[in-house]
Amino acid sequence: ETGVTQTPRHLVMGMTNKKSLKCEQHLGHNAMYWYKQSAKKPLELMFVYSLEERVENNSVPSRFSPECPNSSHLFLHLHTLQPEDSALYLCASSQGAPGSGSGNTIYFGEGSWLTVV
Amino acid sequence: GENVEQHPSTLSVQEGDSAVIKCTYSDSASNYFPWYKQELGKGPQLIIDIRSNVGEKKDQRIAVTLNKTAKHFSLHITETQPEDSAVYFCAASIPTSGTYKYIFGTGTRLKVLA
Repeated sequence: ETGVTQTPRHLVMGMTNKKSLKCEQHLGHNAMYWYKQSAKKPLELMFVYSLEERVENNSVPSRFSPECPNSSHLFLHLHTLQPEDSALYLCASSQGAPGSGSGNTIYFGEGSWLTVV
Repeated sequence: GENVEQHPSTLSVQEGDSAVIKCTYSDSASNYFPWYKQELGKGPQLIIDIRSNVGEKKDQRIAVTLNKTAKHFSLHITETQPEDSAVYFCAASIPTSGTYKYIFGTGTRLKVLA
């Protein structure tokens, strides 16, 4: 149990579907993240939220839409995805907000395996 | 650009032997270096970290060393056990424009042979 819970763990969706990934952290952290993990590539940072405000958007296509209603919950809304978007999507959180000092350890959830068919 | 190179990509060792994974970073401003272990079907979990003002840190069978001059850091696992089999990622924290971000290595798949 990492303190960061992701649902669903597995998702198969068609290219015209709309689905959402959910993340909840039970650590009292102030920052939350979405990462994409593809085979043989480094972890790719997608979005960063600090105190419910988006502070970073790493040129992610608009078919990925994040939402952070409060500091404990983070969503990733998916719409008209492509097969190359199939990957493991990892949610993470850290105590401090980005910029509040280095070394704010990131804690990851178990990930949501997404397959786009 | 900013990047972290990690080697080797795969590593097989006999149970009881030591394993060493090395990472090199490019930005001299990097000041925090965590290591994560990712088991099959799970998310990465922090196993050890080191800050730039320290040269070595040890926690039971695992240790990390940092050479700031050469800009590289290494993970050392001694007396390896089958449950050490996993993918290991290094990362470097880089301050940038008032915030910071982690740059991750591409991972090392460690297999401990019984």
